[in-house]
Amino acid sequence: EVQLVESGGVVVQPGGSLRLSCAGSGFTFDDYAMYWVRQAPGKGLEWVSLISWNGRDTSYADSVKGRFTISRDNSKHSLYLQMNSLRSEDTALYYCAKSASVSIPPDYWGQGTLVTVSS
Amino acid sequence: QPVLTQPPSSSASPGESARLTCTLRSDINVRNYNIYWYQQKPGSPPRYLLYYYSDSDKGQGSGVPSRFSGSKDASANAGILLISGLQSEDEADYYCVIWPRNAWVFGGGTKLTVL
Repeated sequence: EVQLVESGGVVVQPGGSLRLSCAGSGFTFDDYAMYWVRQAPGKGLEWVSLISWNGRDTSYADSVKGRFTISRDNSKHSLYLQMNSLRSEDTALYYCAKSASVSIPPDYWGQGTLVTVSS
Repeated sequence: QPVLTQPPSSSASPGESARLTCTLRSDINVRNYNIYWYQQKPGSPPRYLLYYYSDSDKGQGSGVPSRFSGSKDASANAGILLISGLQSEDEADYYCVIWPRNAWVFGGGTKLTVL
């Protein structure tokens, strides 16, 4: 059974930093591109970032470019999102998701981890 | 103007069909894009439904019933999600998404109510 389990979401002050993690199991992790997608409370979905199967290709939404960094460790079946210079508008449920390719959107999503940016 | 525009809400009765639209900004031609669709129920992550490019290039998500189908209305520059034989379990939020200019863009979502 495919599982994606996010962790690391907490309450953090504006300007602070946070690292999210996502552990994948039940599939060949290094065969898949991986995504982060977020959803602010009561709002719609917003794509945040993606990374290719080997980590060589990454892409970011303009809203997080220069502040967030996506990475992966295939030996640990894990995906990460380093979030710096956090703003109140970054408050959201952050989903980890997998895809067959960076040019195809995700086919399976985790349950999400909640990040709250507040003083 | 948003890249993708979806009506905030729609409703239909059980057994009827629901036609959900996803209108692309005028400078983005729907003919050139795969339109992907997701379903999201409260408290759950999105579920991938399908994609549609043309009648000869389309695909259904794993386990997604055939009563969910996609199409395009080129005259309206829109992608369409058609749900036939509506069931109460189809009540959910529906999102379209495309890949223009190296960034994934989601529509704002349509809340479908099954009356």
